[in-house]
Amino acid sequence: QQQVKQSPQSLIVQKGGISIINCAYENTAFDYFPWYQQFPGKGPALLIAIRPDVSEKKEGRFTISFNKSAKQFSLHIMDSQPGDSATYFCAAYNQGAQKLVFGQGTRLTINP
Amino acid sequence: DAGVIQSPRHEVTEMGQEVTLRCKPISGHNSLFWYRQTMMRGLELLIYFNNNVPIDDSGMPEDRFSAKMPNASFSTLKIQPSEPRDSAVYFCASSLTIRGGEKLFFGSGTQLSVL
Repeated sequence: QQQVKQSPQSLIVQKGGISIINCAYENTAFDYFPWYQQFPGKGPALLIAIRPDVSEKKEGRFTISFNKSAKQFSLHIMDSQPGDSATYFCAAYNQGAQKLVFGQGTRLTINP
Repeated sequence: DAGVIQSPRHEVTEMGQEVTLRCKPISGHNSLFWYRQTMMRGLELLIYFNNNVPIDDSGMPEDRFSAKMPNASFSTLKIQPSEPRDSAVYFCASSLTIRGGEKLFFGSGTQLSVL
């Protein structure tokens, strides 16, 4: 119940295209859903986050779409750029258990 | 602020040796986390401190692993004795919120190789 399932494992997108990464969860106690971006040799860094009381959050080219009834959320990267090539992790936070659970990660490659 | 500082960046050791990883969290942060990252298991939370007190160590794989936080600016993760299956990247992260886990700031990690 504490798992977050992320797909796909890897993704290749052409420059200018839309990158979409999906996550699903089971535990309805999760109340905060961040996305982290990790470049090679670095630790993950918070990219964007959403709470379940809204269905969408947009920051620049990055958008989180959240479907509470389906218990799914996704990251959309518009106009994908080679600099977006990184590993992306979705996560879910359970305030009661004070636990942040990460998905398995998606390695995104943007071809120039 | 220099961010979360981890040392060493790389550690190569032989099976059976003791390994100590070090972490300096961001000044003023009151929560500290140790994660392990592998291809097979992704990012796993090992242990979490709040105000220097261990809150949840359920992710520590075995008694060979131990972590301490003697003060607000320093933490260690020790593996004794080390085994090849401990090879991974170990991350330390800190956060400001009392609840913890909402916005983590990660260090650059320690790449551990146990031969």
